[in-house]
Amino acid sequence: EPEVTQTPSHQVTQMGQEVILRCVPISNHLYFYWYRQILGQKVEFLVSFYNNEISEKSEIFDDQFSVERPDGSNFTLKIRSTKLEDSAMYFCASSKEDPRANSPLHFGNGTRLTVT
Amino acid sequence: GQNIDQPTEMTATEGAIVQINCTYQTSGFNGLFWYQQHAGEAPTFLSYNVLDGLEEKGRFSSFLSRSKGYSYLLLKELQMKDSASYLCVGLKAAGNKLTFGGGTRVLVKP
Repeated sequence: EPEVTQTPSHQVTQMGQEVILRCVPISNHLYFYWYRQILGQKVEFLVSFYNNEISEKSEIFDDQFSVERPDGSNFTLKIRSTKLEDSAMYFCASSKEDPRANSPLHFGNGTRLTVT
Repeated sequence: GQNIDQPTEMTATEGAIVQINCTYQTSGFNGLFWYQQHAGEAPTFLSYNVLDGLEEKGRFSSFLSRSKGYSYLLLKELQMKDSASYLCVGLKAAGNKLTFGGGTRVLVKP
């Protein structure tokens, strides 16, 4: 069964450094997302992306964050200058269609980001 | 607001049935998903309800009442591998953002 893949599985970085989290969504999916989960807390929405542009973003997704689909397969999340509170598990997800059309999100296994 | 509330933890015996309740504020949501999440892993899709009523999928069933802002996930014939967190997830009526509940950790005992 096709799956969403994310790399790396773990990333340790120093405060103030830039990180890029990488994702390969399922190939025939059109909608892409980033979510994050701080240890012991709820999964939180960051951003959704469709038709090569951001369709929605949360208040967490400030100017330090950006997303890109640089080619036909990758979907990346960049954090420009990491803060301690950015430490979390970051999940990439994709859906074939709009989830309102009963098209569920498929999540990758996540990248655990630790900012020291 | 768009709060989603579910119990924090439940314990059940292998072979038994467990019902996980979820309540949400009715305004703003278009449908309810249920996801399963094992510790340290990705959430995996279980079910989606957009209309009132019961959706059955093998050992798992999900129910929705939109007027009451209430859903439940029913797990039958529990197996040890069902020990996981079960996430009640609302889909915004406008846009495609998912709002996650805190999850219910289910522990299945022999």
